[in-house]
Amino acid sequence: NAGVMQNPRHLVRRRGQEARLRCSPMKGHSHVYWYRQLPEEGLKFMVYLQKENIIDESGMPKERFSAEFPKEGPSILRIQQVVRGDSAAYFCASSPPGLGGGYEQFFGPGTRLTVL
Amino acid sequence: DAKTTQPTSMDCAEGRAANLPCNHSTISGNEYVYWYRQIHSQGPQYIIHGLKNNETNEMASLIITEDRKSSTLILPHATLRDTAVYYCIVRVAGFGNEKLTFGTGTRLTIIP
Repeated sequence: NAGVMQNPRHLVRRRGQEARLRCSPMKGHSHVYWYRQLPEEGLKFMVYLQKENIIDESGMPKERFSAEFPKEGPSILRIQQVVRGDSAAYFCASSPPGLGGGYEQFFGPGTRLTVL
Repeated sequence: DAKTTQPTSMDCAEGRAANLPCNHSTISGNEYVYWYRQIHSQGPQYIIHGLKNNETNEMASLIITEDRKSSTLILPHATLRDTAVYYCIVRVAGFGNEKLTFGTGTRLTIIP
């Protein structure tokens, strides 16, 4: 049973470009979470999605950031017009369906975004 | 979610038990205590969680005080691979409150 997969593992963008980060949850998991980790800091929650629905986006910056989890395919975190402050590790986690999305969140290896 | 307080760093000798404390004095009755760890720059790894009873699994034991205001994660025989940042997280497990709120954690270093 493959774990949570994220790609690309490393992404380099120039200021003003768009970054697309993909997350494939574990098989059978219908809940996806995105977290951001700035250098030398802890992880910060960004958004929680179920298939075709955004459940909690309280941690998402108001501008330039969006997320989706379509009926088919991976979840996408999209950052438009990237700036240097977006440089960070972005982690995706998934959990199975059930009350409250289950107790455990299984994390992927992360995507390291570097903005030049 | 209740705030947690952990020591910034700890050392433990290889083969000994590592005891990582966590203070959560404002915890509510329906909040669970979770432990995750992050090895180097990998994705966090779930370790264990509990509500009020002590819990044990193949990785660790979780001891929660009777008043639930603090807990201790115990790694019974620490190895070099246990060197990581350990996060104690308190949250309600229920619909609408699934996010994990990570603090700064405890950086555990296992000494050969």
